[in-house]
Amino acid sequence: AQTVTQSQPEMSVQEAETVTLSCTYDTSESDYYLFWYKQPPSRQMILVIRQEAYKQQNATENRFSVNFQKAAKSFSLKISDSQLGDAAMYFCAYRSGNYGGATNKLIFGTGTLLAVQP
Amino acid sequence: DVKVTQSSRYLVKRTGEKVFLECVQDMDHENMFWYRQDPGLGLRLIYFSYDVKMKEKGDIPEGYSVSREKKERFSLILESASTNQTSMYLCASTSFTSGSYEGQFFGPGTRLTVL
Repeated sequence: AQTVTQSQPEMSVQEAETVTLSCTYDTSESDYYLFWYKQPPSRQMILVIRQEAYKQQNATENRFSVNFQKAAKSFSLKISDSQLGDAAMYFCAYRSGNYGGATNKLIFGTGTLLAVQP
Repeated sequence: DVKVTQSSRYLVKRTGEKVFLECVQDMDHENMFWYRQDPGLGLRLIYFSYDVKMKEKGDIPEGYSVSREKKERFSLILESASTNQTSMYLCASTSFTSGSYEGQFFGPGTRLTVL
């Protein structure tokens, strides 16, 4: 069974600085997808960034980028120029590359609570 | 604008009550999910559905049941609420054909307290 591990329960960053959140996963599959979700306080969970395992190029979305190391099964999220609005719980998630039934589910890590200091 | 809505943001119930949590999505998604979120445990899948009237157990289905009579609506039922079911409940949906690209869309969550 696949597992996702986030070893940093809490992180803190100064406004305008860069922070990296760690995520490792375990799987025997070669085709899969990885996601970072953001859950602001008392607000809806939203997708930040996604990565297809077959793509070697790291995904980027504005100030958010990932460092995807397939051999090491590592998927870290880098937030550049941190803003107060980045303060949230961040979840790493895994999805099988297969389709149908139970393969559509996401497997989540336990989350990293990011605080942004002004 | 895509949307997943949940019937209540906050709910307080008594032990032994039957509780219904409703989720509606307007994106014509085939797949819908119910998660439970607890501090330090992340999100854990309770049940999911990949079609109308179809349901599959997730990782923690004990004490819960679900209903999906219409494509847009997925209900989570606590037959006899217990205090250990006090939690945040999140509903999500995704498309069978596009789930790998868009991920899952989440509702705002229902914080349930069982006294």
